[in-house]
This record gives sequence, structure tokens and C-alpha cells, in this order.
Amino acid sequence: EAGVVQSPRYKIIEKKQPVAFWCNPISGHNTLYWYRQNLGQGPELLIRYENEEAVDDSQLPKDRFSAERLKGVDSTLKIQPAELGDSAVYLCASSLDRPPETQYFGPGTRLLVL
Amino acid sequence: AQKVTQAQTEISVVEKEDVTLDCVYETRDTTYYLFWYKQPPSGELVFLIRRNSFDEQNEISGRYSWNFQKSTSSFNFTITASQVVDSAVYFCALSEVNNQGGKLIFGQGTELSVKP
Repeated sequence: EAGVVQSPRYKIIEKKQPVAFWCNPISGHNTLYWYRQNLGQGPELLIRYENEEAVDDSQLPKDRFSAERLKGVDSTLKIQPAELGDSAVYLCASSLDRPPETQYFGPGTRLLVL
Repeated sequence: AQKVTQAQTEISVVEKEDVTLDCVYETRDTTYYLFWYKQPPSGELVFLIRRNSFDEQNEISGRYSWNFQKSTSSFNFTITASQVVDSAVYFCALSEVNNQGGKLIFGQGTELSVKP
């Protein structure tokens, strides 16, 4: 069974530029998560989708971050414009159903904002 | 408030040594789940175990074992006869069923280095 797929794996951009990350969850998983992991810390939830609906986006900085999961399968997370402090690893995870179902993570996208 | 503390930032052992990674949690919920994940240098978090608050039975899986003690709010992880491939950052996490939609709260992680 294929795991969570994310692209790109690495991204380097200059501040104020836009950037987008893509995630394809495990087939059949209804719930999808985006996390941000800063260096030396554990992941922190940005947004959770149950099918197409964003059910927890309380930690998403809505002034510059947006996300979508239009058909309830793959998802895109966008930052516009990027700031230096956005440098981090962005992880996508999926689970069969809502928490506390086990979440399975993708390899992440490592973003560096210069 | 929910919180997970992994007091050991870094641990270094020599291959074949046993090592225990500590995890202490705080919760007001009576129903919760605890998890351990491994993050190797490649970056992907690999699921290791999930335990619910009503099951205090210890678990063993090969060289891995977990000790869950509600009395001390701890969920410690032991690797027996460590190997170089065990080198990674290990995260403990908590999910409260009745709070914040079961959001997964991670500890800061413990970086384990196993030297040959």
C-alpha cells in the first residue's frame, strides 16, 4: 500500500514569494492533516480536513496561509507571501477516520525562505 | 491543558546497549490516546504504537517495549539491544478524545544516537 505522498521534497524561495505544497493521502483515508515542524521541535497542526471540510484550522495563519482539498482526496497548502519565519518542514498526514485514529505521515517538504 | 514532556533532548549509546526514552504527559481527560513516532534523518514520521488510556498493559514488539503507567502519567519506550538503525528522533504524542477534536500534541522529541 502506498504511503502519503508529498511534493516537492525541498523548496528554496526568497521572502515575499508564493509557494505551494501538494499532498496525496493514503487511499481511502478520509482525514487529512497539515503540520509544520520547526527545527528541534515536534510537529504542530495547521489544519485538519474531514473529506472536503476543514474542521480545525485554528492554528493556520490565515493572513498568508491557505489550503484546499477540493475533491476530498489530495490537498494543497499555499503560503503567499512567504516570510523568513516560515522556514520549516511541512508535513502532511492522513488517517482512516477522525482522531484518535492513527495518523500516517508523508516525508515532508523542507522549505527555506531566504 | 494537555502537554507532553520528553525531558531527554539527546541520548547517545553504544550498539547493543538498552535505552529508555521517557515521556510524561498532562491531561484532564479520562479518555485519551498515546503514541510514539520515529523520525529518521529522511524526515518521515513512522508510527510505532498507539495506546488508549484504559489499557495499561505493557506492550512488546521485537526489541521495542512500552511501559504505560497512569499513576505517574508516563509512557516510556525501551529499545533493547540497540542498533545503529535505531538512530533517529523519537516523538511521544497525546490525543484527548473529548478535547480539541482529538488533536495530536507532540513532545519536543528525543534524539537517539546509536554508535557502532
